[in-house]
Amino acid sequence: EDQVTQSPEALRLQEGESSSLNCSYTVSGLRGLFWYRQDPGKGPEFLFTLYSAGEEKEKERLKATLTKKESFLHITAPKPEDSATYLCAVQGESSGSRLTFGEGTQLTVNP
Amino acid sequence: KAGVTQTPRYLIKTRGQQVTLSCSPISGHRSVSWYQQTPGQGLQFLFEYFSETQRNKGNFPGRFSGRQFSNSRSEMNVSTLELGDSALYLCASSLTADTQYFGPGTRLTVL
Repeated sequence: EDQVTQSPEALRLQEGESSSLNCSYTVSGLRGLFWYRQDPGKGPEFLFTLYSAGEEKEKERLKATLTKKESFLHITAPKPEDSATYLCAVQGESSGSRLTFGEGTQLTVNP
Repeated sequence: KAGVTQTPRYLIKTRGQQVTLSCSPISGHRSVSWYQQTPGQGLQFLFEYFSETQRNKGNFPGRFSGRQFSNSRSEMNVSTLELGDSALYLCASSLTADTQYFGPGTRLTVL
């Protein structure tokens, strides 16, 4: 059974204070690891897909990295508009299209 | 390109009733997946439809069902509603088997 654990559950940063969110996973054959951002009352917004260990992807102040057991979402010089819940999900080779999500990290960036 | 649309956005029902939710995928996407999001369980996979066929199913009771039409639009139905069915129901569409794009969700409240 695929499993995803995200830490920390909540993170409060000052504007400009860089940090990282962690996503640990177990899956029998990784097809893809996904990061989403979710604002209150809205659906998850796609950020990145990572397929293999060593892969990195960047978008504005966000950078996602992947190892064989975990993924990190690095946030550089965050702004208040980066405040949201960040969700990590995995798709295993035996799972078809099913995404297994972690509980998310609720990020608050104070001005 | 228009994103995933879901209707209605909000719904209030009473226990024992049934409900039908609708999802229109991104143009050209043939795969539609449904997820339930609750504060206690997070995001959980319900089922996936591709070319009008259910291709994958999560661990939900038979009260939860769905279908897909020839234009790729999908509906999900919940019969004999229970208080625990109160949740945000999310639809996601994908072009291939990996990256899924989510709609805004339907907020269902069961009284």
